[in-house]
Amino acid sequence: AQKITQTQPGMFVQEKEAVTLDCTYDTSDPSYGLFWYKQPSSGEMIFLIYQGSYDQQNATEGRYSLNFQKARKSANLVISASQLGDSAMYFCAMRELNTGNQFYFGTGTSLTVIP
Amino acid sequence: DTEVTQTPKHLVMGMTNKKSLKCEQHMGHRAMYWYKQKAKKPPELMFVYSYEKLSINESVPSRFSPECPNSSLLNLHLHALQPEDSALYLCASSQVPPRETQYFGPGTRLLVL
Repeated sequence: AQKITQTQPGMFVQEKEAVTLDCTYDTSDPSYGLFWYKQPSSGEMIFLIYQGSYDQQNATEGRYSLNFQKARKSANLVISASQLGDSAMYFCAMRELNTGNQFYFGTGTSLTVIP
Repeated sequence: DTEVTQTPKHLVMGMTNKKSLKCEQHMGHRAMYWYKQKAKKPPELMFVYSYEKLSINESVPSRFSPECPNSSLLNLHLHALQPEDSALYLCASSQVPPRETQYFGPGTRLLVL
């Protein structure tokens, strides 16, 4: 089974609008971390936001927020007030805290911001 | 400072060449990683070093040889590569897992002719 599922291969959003990128995960480990990365066409993977499985509140970092619904095993990324520079590939990832060093990446969502 | 540097940015090599990719971080991280990424795909883990010792080798062919000379440096030695090895090679580092965020370098775009 896929550990991380991103069902939106491509998304479009109007500049200044908000957009939600979906991510669901599968784990039996009660302790895990969820991450979102942005990868522009230049190639660098840029860390955006982290959510721990025991965190009571949804994580926020500037224009990025993580809509964490533990019972549904979803960790959607919300980008508010989209900018042209937000056009990139976005990857959701998970690390299971009790099983070592590996990150599990989703297949990614390509976001295009339209002027 | 959350910077991981990688050199070179681009590399073109023939199938008989020997080359090395370099990665450096000065964040005091004790875990370092090599990933391979094909276009429009997620990164695939190749190797993990923890406290300068190889802890994970994801069944990578022996034509890829990692080396961790010290806690700040990670090398990937390449020899007799195949055209299908052309990809973006990403280095990352983190505090020793399991909780910590991985920080990635800008990558090396490798083309094997």
